[in-house]
Amino acid sequence: QVQMVESGGGVVQPGGSLRLSCAASGFTLFNFGMHWVRQVPGKGLEWVAVIWSDGNLKHYTDSVKGRFTVSRDISKNTVYLQMDSLRVEDTAVYYCAREQLGVGPDYWGQGTLVTVSS
Amino acid sequence: DIVMTQSPLSLPVTLGQPASISCRSSQSLVHSDGNTYLTWFQQRPGQSPRRLIYKVSNRDSGVPDRFTGSGSGTDFTLKISRVEAEDVGVYYCLQGTQWPPWTFGQGTKVEIQ
Repeated sequence: QVQMVESGGGVVQPGGSLRLSCAASGFTLFNFGMHWVRQVPGKGLEWVAVIWSDGNLKHYTDSVKGRFTVSRDISKNTVYLQMDSLRVEDTAVYYCAREQLGVGPDYWGQGTLVTVSS
Repeated sequence: DIVMTQSPLSLPVTLGQPASISCRSSQSLVHSDGNTYLTWFQQRPGQSPRRLIYKVSNRDSGVPDRFTGSGSGTDFTLKISRVEAEDVGVYYCLQGTQWPPWTFGQGTKVEIQ
């Protein structure tokens, strides 16, 4: 069955870096894109980034452009979110969510918590 | 960017009674391909979001038929015909017509009164 498992979250100081992973199973990234969506605990959902099924086309929300990079490793069926120059306001649970062929996100992972604090 | 506005933000409901959530977009969500990319998600306490409805009114597999999505243009509604205890949570609408960015509504918290 379709499943995504995120990992890589943790506590980091402002200005630091983290790399999140989203390991997919039950489908291949050759055929599906992947979104990253974040949620400050107790707050709403915010779209962060997407990598399309071709692996080359990527989009980011304005607040993370130039700081976050989405990529993938087809051999591992895994998507990554490299987060640099982290800010306190990046603190959130980060979810990966599969893009259903132009329709939008369908399946979601369980999320990984990123805390940016000194 | 398209702004999505949900109402109400809090919805106390009685078990077995209907509930309705509104989602309005700042621009029409009709895509040039003729589709309207409006999605509804449910997030139960402590869980990840789960998709309920896509393209306005298409119910996902396994979603009870008491959930119905409707609407067009800029005005959309999620209705629960008879609320059950397992429906407690926060409901979000999402537009995927004009991107980036994909934009969510603020969320509507459904609780049993």
